Amino acid sequence: EAGVAQSPRYKIIEKRQSVAFWCNPISGHATLYWYQQILGQGPKLLIQFQNNGVVDDSQLPKDRFSAERLKGVDSTLKIQPAKLEDSAVYLCASSLGVGRANEQYFGPGTRLTVT
Amino acid sequence: AQTVTQSQPEMSVQEAETVTLSCTYDTSENNYYLFWYKQPPSRQMILVIRQEAYKQQNATENRFSVNFQKAAKSFSLKISDSQLGDTAMYFCAFVDNTDKLIFGTGTRLQVFP
Repeated sequence: EAGVAQSPRYKIIEKRQSVAFWCNPISGHATLYWYQQILGQGPKLLIQFQNNGVVDDSQLPKDRFSAERLKGVDSTLKIQPAKLEDSAVYLCASSLGVGRANEQYFGPGTRLTVT
Repeated sequence: AQTVTQSQPEMSVQEAETVTLSCTYDTSENNYYLFWYKQPPSRQMILVIRQEAYKQQNATENRFSVNFQKAAKSFSLKISDSQLGDTAMYFCAFVDNTDKLIFGTGTRLQVFP
């Protein structure tokens, strides 16, 4: 079974530029998550999708971050414009359904450096 | 607010020895799940072990076991017969009825030959 795929793996941009990340979850997984992991910290949930609907985006900085999951499969996360503090690893995860018992499977992440 | 605390930023252990990683959490809920995740240098996070709060028996997965003390809100991970491949960041995580995973800050474990 293929795992969660993410691209690109690395991205370097200047502040005020835009960037987009792509995630392809495990086939059949209805729930998709985007996390931000700043160096030295644990991952922090940015947004959770159930199929193509948003379940939780309470920690997404909506003035600059946006995410979509068209057709309930792939997802993109965009930052526009980027700030220095956005430098982090962006992790995508997916699970079969919602609920505490559902294991989340993580992708390899995209390391973003904003200069 | 739910919080997860890992007080050991770094730990080291010799191959074949046993090491215990600490984790405490804070919640007013009674029904929740606790997890230990491993993040090797390649960054792919994988689930090591999970514990359901209503189960008194401590979870075990091969060389990995937990010591779950619900009253003390403590959830430590014991790795027996440590192997070089166990070198990684280990994150303790918690999820309650909001279904949101809350992670600790992690413990970097280095296994030496």
